[in-house]
Amino acid sequence: EVQLVESGGGLVQPGRSLRLSCAASGFTFDDYAMHWVRQAPGKGLEWVSGISWNSGSIGYADSVKGRFTISRDNAKNSLYLQMNSLRAEDTALYYCAKDAVPAAMEYYFDYWGQGTLVTVSS
Amino acid sequence: DIQMTQSPSSLSASVGDRVTITCRASQGISNYLAWYQQKPGKVPKLLIYAASTLQSGVPSRFSGSGSGTDFTLTISSLQPEDVATYYCQKYNSAPPITFGQGTRLEIK
Repeated sequence: EVQLVESGGGLVQPGRSLRLSCAASGFTFDDYAMHWVRQAPGKGLEWVSGISWNSGSIGYADSVKGRFTISRDNAKNSLYLQMNSLRAEDTALYYCAKDAVPAAMEYYFDYWGQGTLVTVSS
Repeated sequence: DIQMTQSPSSLSASVGDRVTITCRASQGISNYLAWYQQKPGKVPKLLIYAASTLQSGVPSRFSGSGSGTDFTLTISSLQPEDVATYYCQKYNSAPPITFGQGTRLEIK
């Protein structure tokens, strides 16, 4: 069974940093691209960032480019999101999501974690 | 960037009704379109990809169609468990990825 478990969320002041983690199991992690998608309270879905299976291809939404860094450790079956210079508008539930196609980066998502809540407020 | 516009934003229908949700892209995206279902308080679930391919395990009452700029998600016979918000998502020429704003479906 595919499982994606996010951690690292919390309350943080504007301008500070936070690092999210996603622990994956139930599939061959290093066969798949992985992504972060967020959802502000009561709002829709927003793709944040994605990384290919070998970290060779990385993408970011314009809203986070230059502030967030995605990475992965295939030996640990883990995905990360380093978030710097956080803003109030970054407040959201952050989901880890698995790309649907192996050995590719198709940018649609067949499994999602339960999410970790990030609240940016003074 | 390509914008995705869903209509309606919300709708109410009766059990057994045929329900159609529309998603329009601001530019052609071929068939690079996915649909997700998000039930209240739950995680999004992939329903359809490549505009019309049903994800494994999704009930056959769900179907998708379209190509280019205009797409539809159809529920052939609405069930109570289909209450959810539905999102379309384009994934051609990614990044960026764009989701529609969502369509909230309720039972009348």
